[in-house]
Amino acid sequence: DIQMTQSPSSLSASVGDRVTITCQASQDISNYLNWYQQKPGKAPKLLIYDASNLETGVPSRFSGSGSGTDFTFTISSLQPEDIATYYCQQYDNLRITFGPGTKVDIK
Amino acid sequence: QLQLQESGPGLVKPSETLSLTCTVSGGSISSSSYYWGWIRQPPGKGLEWIGSIYYSGSTYYNPSLKSRVTISVDTSKNQFSLKLSSVTAADTAVYYCARLEAVTTPDYWGQGTLVTVSS
Repeated sequence: DIQMTQSPSSLSASVGDRVTITCQASQDISNYLNWYQQKPGKAPKLLIYDASNLETGVPSRFSGSGSGTDFTFTISSLQPEDIATYYCQQYDNLRITFGPGTKVDIK
Repeated sequence: QLQLQESGPGLVKPSETLSLTCTVSGGSISSSSYYWGWIRQPPGKGLEWIGSIYYSGSTYYNPSLKSRVTISVDTSKNQFSLKLSSVTAADTAVYYCARLEAVTTPDYWGQGTLVTVSS
């Protein structure tokens, strides 16, 4: 099975800061990597699909990059409404796996 | 606008079978472009994919749950369902249904329903 690791597990940043989260797969997953935002009590929301494609309607301050085993998710200028937990998710060989999540707070 | 809504008992006894239904509105479950799936999240923890189904009935499951899971589809009602047998307290979670774009990407999610396993 492919394992996903995310770092950091949590972070605090100021409004306007650039925030970066990394996700690493235990095997090559090409670009089958998505990023989600989950706010408390809500369902996850798809932000980035296929590693670097911005989902329709998602603000352009969110971006993703990477391929193979190493991926990066970036918020270019953190906003108060971005407080949430962010998950990466991979697909390989008919299996879907989520990363453990990164909780983002405002400092 | 596509909407998914989970329904089913919020409390299940240990060793019994958890049964949930997802009703899809604003779109057809028979679309050839999508799979449909279940994902769960224990309180305070991360997300776990349970399994997915195509409108034709083709399924694939999380290997760690495969022996206890059955996902089925009813195209006439625009619904798909989850059955999880022999539940324990470890199965207590918010259960989400979702549409999967190209089998890889849950892009539309239901609001989720909390199922508690307790006697």
